[in-house]
Amino acid sequence: EAGVAQSPRYKIIEKRQSVAFWCNPISGHATLYWYQQILGQGPKLLIQFQNNGVVDDSQLPKDRFSAERLKGVDSTLKIQPAKLEDSAVYLCASSRRDRGRQETQYFGPGTRLLVL
Amino acid sequence: GIQVEQSPPDLILQEGANSTLRCNFSDSVNNLQWFHQNPWGQLINLFYIPSGTKQNGRLSATTVATERYSLLYISSSQTTDSGVYFCAVERGSTLGRLYFGRGTQLTVWP
Repeated sequence: EAGVAQSPRYKIIEKRQSVAFWCNPISGHATLYWYQQILGQGPKLLIQFQNNGVVDDSQLPKDRFSAERLKGVDSTLKIQPAKLEDSAVYLCASSRRDRGRQETQYFGPGTRLLVL
Repeated sequence: GIQVEQSPPDLILQEGANSTLRCNFSDSVNNLQWFHQNPWGQLINLFYIPSGTKQNGRLSATTVATERYSLLYISSSQTTDSGVYFCAVERGSTLGRLYFGRGTQLTVWP
């Protein structure tokens, strides 16, 4: 079974530029998550989708971050415009998760973003 | 939100040694996972363990939910065990959102 795929693996941009990340979850997984991991810290949830609907985006800085999951499969996370403090690893995860059940989350390799 | 504290923050071992990593959490949880983040940044699932004890090879984990802590045991450590070990918990009120600790940085020397 293929794991969670993410691209690109690395990205360097200047502040105020835009950037987009792509995630393809494990086949059949209904729930998709985007996490931000700043150096030296644990990951923090930005947004959670169940199929193509948003379940939790309370930690997403909506003035500059946006995310979508069209057709309930792939997802993109965009930052526009980027700030220096957005430098981090952006991790995508997926789980089977039916409503109300607990499920293991599986993580992709991440995208390392450096904002100069 | 819920607080997740991991100890020790850093651990340096010689190959073959045993170790215990601890995770304390401040509120009741309905899910707890242990992850290993390798030097390339990949988070690898070790255990899904909201309660009880599980073993997988040289690794085992125990969660005592009523006392709000979990332990990860690594026996006969190897250099490939190096990396950061994270504990993450999920609350019933925010299903899906994992709250991570700051991790334990483990370095195993040959």
